Amino acid sequence: EDQVTQSPEALRLQEGESSSLNCSYTVSGLRGLFWYRQDPGKGPEFLFTLYSAGEEKEKERLKATLTKKESFLHITAPKPEDSATYLCAVQPSNDYKLSFGAGTTVTVRA
Amino acid sequence: DSGVTQTPKHLITATGQRVTLRCSPRSGDLSVYWYQQSLDQGLQFLIQYYNGEERAKGNILERFSAQQFPDLHSELNLSSLELGDSALYFCASSVVSSGGEQYFGPGTRLTVT
Repeated sequence: EDQVTQSPEALRLQEGESSSLNCSYTVSGLRGLFWYRQDPGKGPEFLFTLYSAGEEKEKERLKATLTKKESFLHITAPKPEDSATYLCAVQPSNDYKLSFGAGTTVTVRA
Repeated sequence: DSGVTQTPKHLITATGQRVTLRCSPRSGDLSVYWYQQSLDQGLQFLIQYYNGEERAKGNILERFSAQQFPDLHSELNLSSLELGDSALYFCASSVVSSGGEQYFGPGTRLTVT
């Protein structure tokens, strides 16, 4: 069964203090790894898709990377508006569903 | 705004009742996915439809069913509701039947009392 483990569970940062979130996964053949951002009471917002080891994607202060066993979401010089829960999900090559991790809740203080 | 719409936003009902949640996918998307999000279980995949046909099933209870109509909107029916069914229910859509990004709606918050 596909497994996705995110760490840490929570991260408190000072504005401008860069950090990384980890997503470890076990899947029988990876079709894609997805990062989403979710604000309280809202639907997840798509950020990135990564398909193969070594791939990197960037969007504003966020950068996602992928290896064969894990993915990292780097937040560079975060701002308070980056506060949210970041979710990682995998899609196996033999299925269509997304399996989500429990998420990392990031709080950025001004 | 993802372009996926869900109604209603909130639903409060009693145990044993039946409810219907509605989802309209983004324009052009043929796949619709339903997810349940609760505090203890996180986001769990329920079921996927592609162009009107069931494509994949997750841990969906027998009391729950879904369908996708010719206009591509989808409905999730929850019956014989229990307290444990209280959760956020999300619909997502994607262009293709396999792979690719899924775009989520704002969700329906179901409270069973």
